[in-house]
Amino acid sequence: GNSVTQMEGPVTLSEEAFLTINCTYTATGYPSLFWYVQYPGEGLQLLLKATKADDKGSNKGFEATYRKETTSFHLEKGSVQVSDSAVYFCALMRGKLIFGQGTELSVKP
Amino acid sequence: GAGVSQSPSNKVTEKGKDVELRCDPISGHTALYWYRQSLGQGLEFLIYFQGNSAPDKSGLPSDRFSAERTGGSVSTLTIQRTQQEDSAVYLCASSFSGGAEGNQPQHFGDGTRLSIL
Repeated sequence: GNSVTQMEGPVTLSEEAFLTINCTYTATGYPSLFWYVQYPGEGLQLLLKATKADDKGSNKGFEATYRKETTSFHLEKGSVQVSDSAVYFCALMRGKLIFGQGTELSVKP
Repeated sequence: GAGVSQSPSNKVTEKGKDVELRCDPISGHTALYWYRQSLGQGLEFLIYFQGNSAPDKSGLPSDRFSAERTGGSVSTLTIQRTQQEDSAVYLCASSFSGGAEGNQPQHFGDGTRLSIL
C-alpha cells in the first residue's frame, strides 16, 4: 500500500543551524510529493511540492528533491530561524493525501 | 474570503448528540476533501468529493459519519450519536482538481476542533 515515513521528533536546533527532516515513501508509480507545515495554533499550509522524479521543490529557504531511486523527499534548510518552529508533514498524493506522522521542530535563539 | 473556511472553529457536545461541520472551499475548486487530525492517529483521510459526487468514502470510520456537498461548493460532515473517540480536529481541504493521478496542491482550512464530553 501507499505510506509515508518521517523521522521522529521532536527536533531541537539552535538558530542558523542546518536542518534535515527525512521522509521516505512507499507507493505504486510516481505520486506527487508535498511538505506541509503547521505553525502553533494554525492550520496546515503547503510549504513545497514536487510532481516528478528529480524535481526540486523550494519555498522560504526550504528545499526538497524527489528521489525516485531512494524513494525519498527529505526537507532541508541551510539556516533555520526561531520562526521556523512548527510541525512539518511529508505527504504523497494518490487520490488523496497520505501523510507521515509529522516532525516537530523547535528552534532556540 | 480567499481561503477555505470552516465552521464552527470549536464545538463541544455531549456524547450521543449529532454534530454538523461545515466547509466552504476556495471558489472554483472542484475537489474537496475531509481529513481528521488526532493525537493518536495523526492525519487521516475521510472522504473526497469531485463536484457533488464522492468517489472515495473509504476513510469514513463508521456509518455514523456521512458527508454531502451541494452546488459543487459547500460541504457538510455529519457525525451521528457522537462518541468520545470522535474528538479530533476535522480539516477540510480543496484543490483545483482531483482524481487518482491528481497533483494539484490541497489548501486547508483552519479546522473544527470537536470535543465530545
